[in-house]
Amino acid sequence: NAGVMQNPRHLVRRRGQEARLRCSPMKGHSHVYWYRQLPEEGLKFMVYLQKENIIDESGMPKERFSAEFPKEGPSILRIQQVVRGDSAAYFCASSRLGRDPPYNEQFFGPGTRLTVL
Amino acid sequence: TQLLEQSPQFLSIQEGENLTVYCNSSSVFSSLQWYRQEPGEGPVLLVTVVTGGEVKKLKRLTFQFGDARKDSSLHITAAQPGDTGLYLCAGANYGQNFVFGPGTRLSVLP
Repeated sequence: NAGVMQNPRHLVRRRGQEARLRCSPMKGHSHVYWYRQLPEEGLKFMVYLQKENIIDESGMPKERFSAEFPKEGPSILRIQQVVRGDSAAYFCASSRLGRDPPYNEQFFGPGTRLTVL
Repeated sequence: TQLLEQSPQFLSIQEGENLTVYCNSSSVFSSLQWYRQEPGEGPVLLVTVVTGGEVKKLKRLTFQFGDARKDSSLHITAAQPGDTGLYLCAGANYGQNFVFGPGTRLSVLP
């Protein structure tokens, strides 16, 4: 069974460019979560999506950030007009059921490390 | 706002020693998960605990959920270099997103 896949693993962008991060959930999982991690810190929730729906985007900045999970294909986190402060590791997780306990295990991908020059 | 604190922040021990790391909150959680994250990789789920007082064992790792479901501990017996990593706890409640602690960075020296 393939786990959660993310690409690219590393992404370098110059200020003002766009960053697109992709996430393919585990087979059979229809719930996707995006998190951001800064060095020496834990993970901060950004957005929770199901197929074709954004369930909760309360952790995502209102400007420049957007996410989608289309009917076909991977989930995409898009950052427009990147700034240096966007440099971080972005992790995607997926779950078979939703986020509610007790059966809410989330499985993480290897992450995309974004560096903004 | 629910917050999770983890202690210690850093821990460096010799191979073969025992250790305990803690995850604490002033809030009650319906479930709590422990993850281990290695440099350059994503977190790997170790265990989920859902019942107050629950104890789960995974080889040399013992996880306990506090009776009041506000805290948890992870005990490692006879630590090995392969146990090195960042240990994260995450709490969850109905209709809410996971809240992650800042992690305990463990280094086991051979």
